[in-house]
Amino acid sequence: NAGVTQTPKFQVLKTGQSMTLQCAQDMNHEYMSWYRQDPGMGLRLIHYSVGAGITDQGEVPNGYNVSRSTTEDFPLRLLSAAPSQTSVYFCASSFDHYYEQYFGPGTRLTVT
Amino acid sequence: GQQLNQSPQSMFIQEGEDVSMNCTSSSIFNTWLWYKQDPGEGPVLLIALYKAGELTSNGRLTAQFGITRKDSFLNISASIPSDVGIYFCAGQGTDKLIFGTGTRLQVFP
Repeated sequence: NAGVTQTPKFQVLKTGQSMTLQCAQDMNHEYMSWYRQDPGMGLRLIHYSVGAGITDQGEVPNGYNVSRSTTEDFPLRLLSAAPSQTSVYFCASSFDHYYEQYFGPGTRLTVT
Repeated sequence: GQQLNQSPQSMFIQEGEDVSMNCTSSSIFNTWLWYKQDPGEGPVLLIALYKAGELTSNGRLTAQFGITRKDSFLNISASIPSDVGIYFCAGQGTDKLIFGTGTRLQVFP
């Protein structure tokens, strides 16, 4: 049981480039979410999904897209990276939104 | 939007001391969670609270869900060096988890 896995662990992008951050879980959790963590800001919700085929916006969704075609995977896409998106990104999952979320190890993204 | 105020922002304590930190909100939450984050890692769940007034322990950690449902407290007894890290509270609202800004704990031998 690997839990929540994220790839890559580190990434450097140039402004305007696009990329996808991968997230997968093997716990059959319905609820998955993406957060970004910036110094002094705690974790802020970007997008979340309550099940396959259903996604919704969180607190800071601009500049990010998500889709949920399977229960296991919840990729986060940056369409045109900006320096303001330099951050650490965490994916999390839980049985449903009422229960405790389990986090992946994070992806550290730098946009130059 | 909903906000959580977590205090203190940082603590520097000696090994063996007890620690207290708290979270307050302007909104009611149905669930309070406490996480710990080590450097370079994702947050790890410490304690989950589901009912107002609930007091739950996990080893040396004790957390309480406030009666008003707008606050929660975490206590760590007899701190040890491996308690170092950032502690986050999180409140579960309608369909989202809202995080506090964290309490950074340093433990000196």
